Amino acid sequence: QKEVEQDPGPLSVPEGAIVSLNCTYSNSAFQYFMWYRQYSRKGPELLMYTYSSGNKEDGRFTAQVDKSSKYISLFIRDSQPSDSATYLCAMTSYNQGGKLIFGQGTELSVKP
Amino acid sequence: EPEVTQTPSHQVTQMGQEVILRCVPISNHLYFYWYRQILGQKVEFLVSFYNNEISEKSEIFDDQFSVERPDGSNFTLKIRSTKLEDSAMYFCASKPLAGDSYEQYFGPGTRLTVT
Repeated sequence: QKEVEQDPGPLSVPEGAIVSLNCTYSNSAFQYFMWYRQYSRKGPELLMYTYSSGNKEDGRFTAQVDKSSKYISLFIRDSQPSDSATYLCAMTSYNQGGKLIFGQGTELSVKP
Repeated sequence: EPEVTQTPSHQVTQMGQEVILRCVPISNHLYFYWYRQILGQKVEFLVSFYNNEISEKSEIFDDQFSVERPDGSNFTLKIRSTKLEDSAMYFCASKPLAGDSYEQYFGPGTRLTVT
């Protein structure tokens, strides 16, 4: 079983739609969860960071963590064409010294 | 806003040659990392560095790889004898020391092409 699983997509939505991106993981020790946005041939850009379970909101973005189900989500409201990118989930635990384990990334396309 | 920078943006080298990839982490950060991403694949951890020594390395980070912080600002990754399979994007990342923060900030990457 892979440590972190993420549907690679591609996912195509119309402008204004609500987008839901998800990852599952197998290591119950993971406590720190991140979502990165990556444009083609660029570096990952940190979007959201959450610790343990719960929700975190930042503008149009909401991150959710359900540790009991080992499931994390990123919601994008009122999606824009500029949101078109690959979204990577990443996670780590206290014992891993910050080493991030990444998902495959989901390619999102928002059509005008 | 402070950011991680990397040079060069693209490096082409012949198999067997040595390459050095350079990074300038965010100035008040104390943990440094290298990751790589082969085209179409996941971002993979290579090595972490703290207090002038390697904290952890992956199985990818064999004897051909080394890291160094030669001065107070630069952080380098050296590949001694490049192989075709080393072709990838290499990302440097840094993390502040502060408290419980595990957020890492990534540079734009160096695209390494080994021919």
